[in-house]
Amino acid sequence: DTEVTQTPKHLVMGMTNKKSLKCEQHMGHRAMYWYKQKAKKPPELMFVYSYEKLSINESVPSRFSPECPNSSLLNLHLHALQPEDSALYLCASSQVANNQPQHFGDGTRLSIL
Amino acid sequence: QKEVEQNSGPLSVPEGAIASLNCTYSDRVSQSFFWYRQYSGKSPELIMSIYSNGDKEDGRFTAQLNKASQYVSLLIRDSQPSDSATYLCAVNIMEYGNKLVFGAGTILRVKS
Repeated sequence: DTEVTQTPKHLVMGMTNKKSLKCEQHMGHRAMYWYKQKAKKPPELMFVYSYEKLSINESVPSRFSPECPNSSLLNLHLHALQPEDSALYLCASSQVANNQPQHFGDGTRLSIL
Repeated sequence: QKEVEQNSGPLSVPEGAIASLNCTYSDRVSQSFFWYRQYSGKSPELIMSIYSNGDKEDGRFTAQLNKASQYVSLLIRDSQPSDSATYLCAVNIMEYGNKLVFGAGTILRVKS
């Protein structure tokens, strides 16, 4: 069982829909991450939050909007996505120090129709 | 030059053999190195962290780090079919702060 919980596990949405991905961790970590992973590729970093503040945005299109309501929760709001955005979206968390490993949730499999 | 490089494989080994997975990195001041295992359709799972030169053993897994040569490896002893997965090498690149850079991953196939 993973200590980083992501919901939903699967999501199918149309290009005009608005939906949100949710991530929760109870490990006391103060850094949280969103990654996008396409088939047969490594995870690709999208956003990093440290102490609930956005610290890294990897030039992600504005149709992806992250939010960190508190130290345990991380959301990714989706709007007007494109078919190429279909992927596995992974949330991870870690201690803030640079040398700490990241722990991943099970991911949300997103399909854009 | 890619920052973290791995041979994509597939690496095929017979059951019971030692699987050796290698990773090289470009940042000389990197301090943190991680190996993740990812089964098809699943999320990455942390299996080893290593920070100092030398070997670190955990069960059937041994991570080896050589900072002078800028490589890190993972040995899996007594390989089992359940070890068949993609193994991702990840390096914390100091200039990027709290960011891991992943290699492309090596596909391991253990044949019974």
